[in-house]
Amino acid sequence: SAVISQKPSRDICQRGTSLTIQCQVDSQVTMMFWYRQQPGQSLTLIATANQGSEATYESGFVIDKFPISRPNLTFSTLTVSNLSPEDSSIYLCSTSGHSYEQYFGPGTRLTVT
Amino acid sequence: GESVGLHLPTLSVQEGDNSIINCAYSNSASDYFIWYKQESGKGPQFIIDIRSNMDKRQGQRVTVLLNKTVKHLSLQIAATQPGDSAVYFCAESRINTGTASKLTFGTGTRLQVTL
Repeated sequence: SAVISQKPSRDICQRGTSLTIQCQVDSQVTMMFWYRQQPGQSLTLIATANQGSEATYESGFVIDKFPISRPNLTFSTLTVSNLSPEDSSIYLCSTSGHSYEQYFGPGTRLTVT
Repeated sequence: GESVGLHLPTLSVQEGDNSIINCAYSNSASDYFIWYKQESGKGPQFIIDIRSNMDKRQGQRVTVLLNKTVKHLSLQIAATQPGDSAVYFCAESRINTGTASKLTFGTGTRLQVTL
């Protein structure tokens, strides 16, 4: 299974600012995914990050609010822009190796004040 | 830690008993299903998966059952232990050739193991 790390593990940010979350995988992978988990809720897919092309966003998520980079096959970033208290969530990246199984990073816990 | 699962249904099981966690999925076109375990403050941990051409798959102490007729998935944990206490999510997907596809998660169930 792929080993995934995320930075930062948590942060407290003021409204109106932005936070960039990094996701690093220990092997090259084709697809990386970004999810949001609001307090007490399940996971919702934000977007799929493909290397060499623009991310594909799910309904309700837009690039201006959640810009994503995927510069190579082991790394991706998610930025949460113009923060509001409603953005307080856990943000998780996931990927798969050479199978259908998906593995998740430890998550980034964002609190917006 | 983060209050994952504050508003989720809860299943209380005595240590040593078997646990059964249920999940209804929505998309009849889904052909791949995964169960995840999430402990407080951690990311989801892969437990077991099953493809739609199977109706049962067993792992170590866990069994997943799939009923495509009623779009129902269950996770059975044998001899439940305190370390099994967590929130459990099912997820559904459609498999693209050779690669993972995006997952749609169920609402989750909190499993509490009592001594």
